[in-house]
Amino acid sequence: NAGVTQTPKFQVLKTGQSMTLQCAQDMNHEYMSWYRQDPGMGLRLIHYSVGAGITDQGEVPNGYNVSRSTTEDFPLRLLSAAPSQTSVYFCASSSRREQFFGPGTRLTVL
Amino acid sequence: RKEVEQDPGPFNVPEGATVAFNCTYSNSASQSFFWYRQDCRKEPKLLMSVYSSGNEDGRFTAQLNRASQYISLLIRDSKLSDSATYLCVVNMFGGSSNTGKLIFGQGTTLQVKP
Repeated sequence: NAGVTQTPKFQVLKTGQSMTLQCAQDMNHEYMSWYRQDPGMGLRLIHYSVGAGITDQGEVPNGYNVSRSTTEDFPLRLLSAAPSQTSVYFCASSSRREQFFGPGTRLTVL
Repeated sequence: RKEVEQDPGPFNVPEGATVAFNCTYSNSASQSFFWYRQDCRKEPKLLMSVYSSGNEDGRFTAQLNRASQYISLLIRDSKLSDSATYLCVVNMFGGSSNTGKLIFGQGTTLQVKP
Protein backbone atom coordinates (compact mmCIF):
# COMPACT_ATOMS: atom_id res chain seq x y z
CA ASN A 1 0.00 0.00 0.00
CA ALA A 2 1.96 3.01 -1.30
CA GLY A 3 -0.63 5.64 -0.31
CA VAL A 4 -0.34 8.73 -2.51
CA THR A 5 2.53 8.91 -4.99
CA GLN A 6 3.62 11.91 -7.02
CA THR A 7 6.06 12.23 -9.89
CA PRO A 8 8.36 13.92 -10.55
CA LYS A 9 9.80 15.07 -7.20
CA PHE A 10 11.61 17.99 -8.83
CA GLN A 11 11.12 19.76 -12.17
CA VAL A 12 12.57 22.83 -13.85
CA LEU A 13 10.66 24.30 -16.79
CA LYS A 14 11.15 27.23 -19.09
CA THR A 15 8.39 29.79 -19.49
CA GLY A 16 5.84 28.55 -22.00
CA GLN A 17 6.60 24.86 -21.65
CA SER A 18 3.87 22.42 -20.74
CA MET A 19 4.02 19.43 -18.47
CA THR A 20 1.92 17.03 -16.43
CA LEU A 21 2.37 16.33 -12.74
CA GLN A 22 1.34 12.79 -11.98
CA CYS A 23 -0.60 11.67 -8.88
CA ALA A 24 -1.82 8.21 -8.00
CA GLN A 25 -3.41 6.61 -4.94
CA ASP A 26 -4.05 2.99 -4.10
CA MET A 27 -6.54 3.50 -1.26
CA ASN A 28 -9.66 3.50 -3.48
CA HIS A 29 -10.58 7.01 -2.36
CA GLU A 30 -13.17 8.89 -4.37
CA TYR A 31 -11.99 12.37 -3.42
CA MET A 32 -8.66 13.72 -4.70
CA SER A 33 -7.27 17.23 -4.86
CA TRP A 34 -4.30 19.33 -5.89
CA TYR A 35 -2.77 22.13 -3.80
CA ARG A 36 0.09 24.51 -4.26
CA GLN A 37 2.14 25.84 -1.37
CA ASP A 38 4.02 29.11 -1.50
CA PRO A 39 6.00 30.78 1.31
CA GLY A 40 3.67 32.69 3.63
CA MET A 41 0.57 31.59 1.72
CA GLY A 42 -0.28 28.19 3.13
CA LEU A 43 -1.79 25.52 0.88
CA ARG A 44 -4.21 26.70 -1.77
CA LEU A 45 -6.61 24.39 -3.55
CA ILE A 46 -6.16 24.28 -7.33
CA HIS A 47 -8.62 21.60 -8.49
CA TYR A 48 -10.41 18.70 -6.91
CA SER A 49 -12.38 15.63 -7.92
CA VAL A 50 -15.16 13.78 -6.11
CA GLY A 51 -14.90 10.73 -8.33
CA ALA A 52 -13.91 9.42 -11.74
CA GLY A 53 -15.17 11.73 -14.46
CA ILE A 54 -15.96 14.59 -12.06
CA THR A 55 -13.67 17.56 -11.44
CA ASP A 56 -14.15 21.09 -10.17
CA GLN A 57 -12.15 24.24 -9.63
CA GLY A 58 -10.64 25.26 -6.34
CA GLU A 59 -9.28 28.58 -5.18
CA VAL A 60 -6.53 29.10 -7.79
CA PRO A 61 -7.39 27.09 -10.94
CA ASN A 62 -6.09 29.42 -13.65
CA GLY A 63 -3.29 27.97 -15.75
CA TYR A 64 -4.01 24.39 -14.68
CA ASN A 65 -6.14 21.57 -16.10
CA VAL A 66 -7.10 18.26 -14.54
CA SER A 67 -8.90 15.09 -15.56
CA ARG A 68 -10.02 12.00 -13.65
CA SER A 69 -10.42 9.03 -15.94
CA THR A 70 -9.83 6.47 -13.17
CA THR A 71 -10.29 6.42 -9.41
CA GLU A 72 -6.54 5.95 -8.94
CA ASP A 73 -5.08 8.76 -11.05
CA PHE A 74 -5.48 12.53 -10.95
CA PRO A 75 -2.90 14.29 -13.16
CA LEU A 76 -2.39 18.06 -13.12
CA ARG A 77 -1.47 19.75 -16.39
CA LEU A 78 0.32 23.05 -16.80
CA LEU A 79 -0.55 24.25 -20.28
CA SER A 80 1.98 27.09 -20.61
CA ALA A 81 4.22 27.43 -17.57
CA ALA A 82 4.80 30.86 -16.05
CA PRO A 83 7.27 31.94 -13.35
CA SER A 84 4.27 32.58 -11.05
CA GLN A 85 3.68 28.82 -11.06
CA THR A 86 6.97 28.18 -9.28
CA SER A 87 5.79 26.39 -6.17
CA VAL A 88 5.53 23.12 -4.31
CA TYR A 89 2.57 21.05 -5.50
CA PHE A 90 0.84 18.52 -3.28
CA CYS A 91 -1.69 15.96 -4.38
CA ALA A 92 -4.08 14.61 -1.75
CA SER A 93 -6.51 11.73 -1.46
CA SER A 94 -9.23 11.69 1.15
CA SER A 95 -11.09 9.17 3.25
CA ARG A 96 -14.01 10.23 5.43
CA ARG A 97 -11.65 10.77 8.32
CA GLU A 98 -8.40 12.08 6.92
CA GLN A 99 -6.74 13.64 3.92
CA PHE A 100 -3.50 11.96 2.85
CA PHE A 101 -0.91 13.97 0.99
CA GLY A 102 1.70 12.87 -1.49
CA PRO A 103 5.36 13.87 -0.96
CA GLY A 104 5.10 16.88 -3.26
CA THR A 105 6.59 18.09 -6.53
CA ARG A 106 8.96 21.06 -6.39
CA LEU A 107 8.51 23.01 -9.61
CA THR A 108 10.65 25.91 -10.78
CA VAL A 109 9.69 27.92 -13.87
CA LEU A 110 12.47 30.05 -15.31
CA ARG B 1 -9.17 39.02 4.44
CA LYS B 2 -7.92 35.42 4.38
CA GLU B 3 -10.51 32.76 5.07
CA VAL B 4 -8.32 31.11 7.69
CA GLU B 5 -5.80 33.21 9.58
CA GLN B 6 -2.98 32.16 11.85
CA ASP B 7 -0.10 33.94 13.51
CA PRO B 8 2.87 32.68 11.46
CA GLY B 9 5.28 32.93 14.40
CA PRO B 10 7.87 31.63 14.78
CA PHE B 11 7.24 30.53 18.33
CA ASN B 12 10.53 29.71 20.04
CA VAL B 13 10.01 27.84 23.32
CA PRO B 14 12.18 25.76 25.67
CA GLU B 15 11.60 22.06 26.14
CA GLY B 16 8.84 21.42 28.64
CA ALA B 17 7.00 24.66 27.92
CA THR B 18 3.31 24.96 27.17
CA VAL B 19 2.48 26.75 23.93
CA ALA B 20 -0.83 27.75 22.37
CA PHE B 21 -1.67 28.49 18.76
CA ASN B 22 -4.73 30.36 17.64
CA CYS B 23 -6.64 30.41 14.40
CA THR B 24 -9.67 32.35 13.17
CA TYR B 25 -11.92 31.57 10.23
CA SER B 26 -14.21 33.91 8.35
CA ASN B 27 -17.00 31.66 7.04
CA SER B 28 -19.56 30.95 9.74
CA ALA B 29 -20.91 28.05 7.64
CA SER B 30 -17.69 26.10 8.14
CA GLN B 31 -18.42 22.71 9.62
CA SER B 32 -15.26 20.73 10.22
CA PHE B 33 -11.95 21.77 11.68
CA PHE B 34 -8.53 20.18 11.87
CA TRP B 35 -4.96 20.74 12.87
CA TYR B 36 -2.29 19.40 10.53
CA ARG B 37 1.43 19.20 11.16
CA GLN B 38 4.02 19.84 8.47
CA ASP B 39 7.71 19.15 8.88
CA CYS B 40 10.22 21.09 6.83
CA ARG B 41 9.92 20.27 3.11
CA LYS B 42 7.51 17.41 3.83
CA GLU B 43 3.83 16.87 3.19
CA PRO B 44 1.21 17.88 5.80
CA LYS B 45 -0.15 15.15 8.05
CA LEU B 46 -3.27 15.14 10.17
CA LEU B 47 -2.53 15.91 13.83
CA MET B 48 -6.08 15.94 15.14
CA SER B 49 -9.64 16.87 14.36
CA VAL B 50 -11.27 19.62 16.41
CA TYR B 51 -14.67 18.95 17.95
CA SER B 52 -17.15 21.44 19.37
CA SER B 53 -16.75 20.08 22.88
CA GLY B 54 -12.96 20.26 22.68
CA ASN B 55 -10.76 17.23 22.52
CA GLU B 56 -7.45 16.00 23.80
CA ASP B 57 -4.85 13.62 22.43
CA GLY B 58 -2.00 13.10 24.86
CA ARG B 59 -0.16 16.40 25.23
CA PHE B 60 -2.31 18.09 22.58
CA THR B 61 -5.65 19.82 23.26
CA ALA B 62 -7.83 21.40 20.60
CA GLN B 63 -10.68 23.82 21.23
CA LEU B 64 -13.35 25.30 19.00
CA ASN B 65 -15.41 28.42 19.65
CA ARG B 66 -18.04 28.67 16.93
CA ALA B 67 -19.48 31.95 18.22
CA SER B 68 -16.09 33.65 17.89
CA GLN B 69 -15.03 31.53 14.88
CA TYR B 70 -11.87 30.65 16.69
CA ILE B 71 -9.82 27.45 16.95
CA SER B 72 -6.91 26.75 19.26
CA LEU B 73 -4.24 24.13 19.78
CA LEU B 74 -2.45 23.73 23.10
CA ILE B 75 0.75 21.71 23.38
CA ARG B 76 1.88 20.82 26.88
CA ASP B 77 5.37 19.66 27.91
CA SER B 78 6.88 20.55 24.53
CA LYS B 79 9.40 18.13 23.04
CA LEU B 80 12.17 18.83 20.56
CA SER B 81 10.26 16.60 18.15
CA ASP B 82 7.27 18.98 18.24
CA SER B 83 9.26 21.48 16.16
CA ALA B 84 7.25 21.87 12.96
CA THR B 85 4.67 24.06 11.27
CA TYR B 86 1.10 23.65 12.49
CA LEU B 87 -1.65 24.25 9.97
CA CYS B 88 -5.19 25.22 10.91
CA VAL B 89 -7.63 23.72 8.43
CA VAL B 90 -11.32 24.35 7.83
CA ASN B 91 -13.70 22.22 5.77
CA MET B 92 -16.17 24.49 4.00
CA PHE B 93 -18.50 21.78 2.82
CA GLY B 94 -19.91 20.55 6.05
CA GLY B 95 -20.11 17.27 7.85
CA SER B 96 -17.21 15.45 9.36
CA SER B 97 -16.30 13.61 6.21
CA ASN B 98 -13.24 15.68 5.45
CA THR B 99 -14.04 15.28 1.78
CA GLY B 100 -15.05 18.83 1.03
CA LYS B 101 -12.87 21.78 0.17
CA LEU B 102 -10.22 22.18 2.83
CA ILE B 103 -9.02 25.73 3.39
CA PHE B 104 -5.61 25.97 5.02
CA GLY B 105 -4.18 28.71 7.18
CA GLN B 106 -0.63 29.75 6.36
CA GLY B 107 0.70 27.83 9.34
CA THR B 108 2.39 28.64 12.64
CA THR B 109 6.01 27.65 13.04
CA LEU B 110 7.12 26.15 16.35
CA GLN B 111 10.75 25.73 17.32
CA VAL B 112 11.37 23.88 20.58
CA LYS B 113 14.87 24.42 21.95
CA PRO B 114 16.83 22.33 24.48
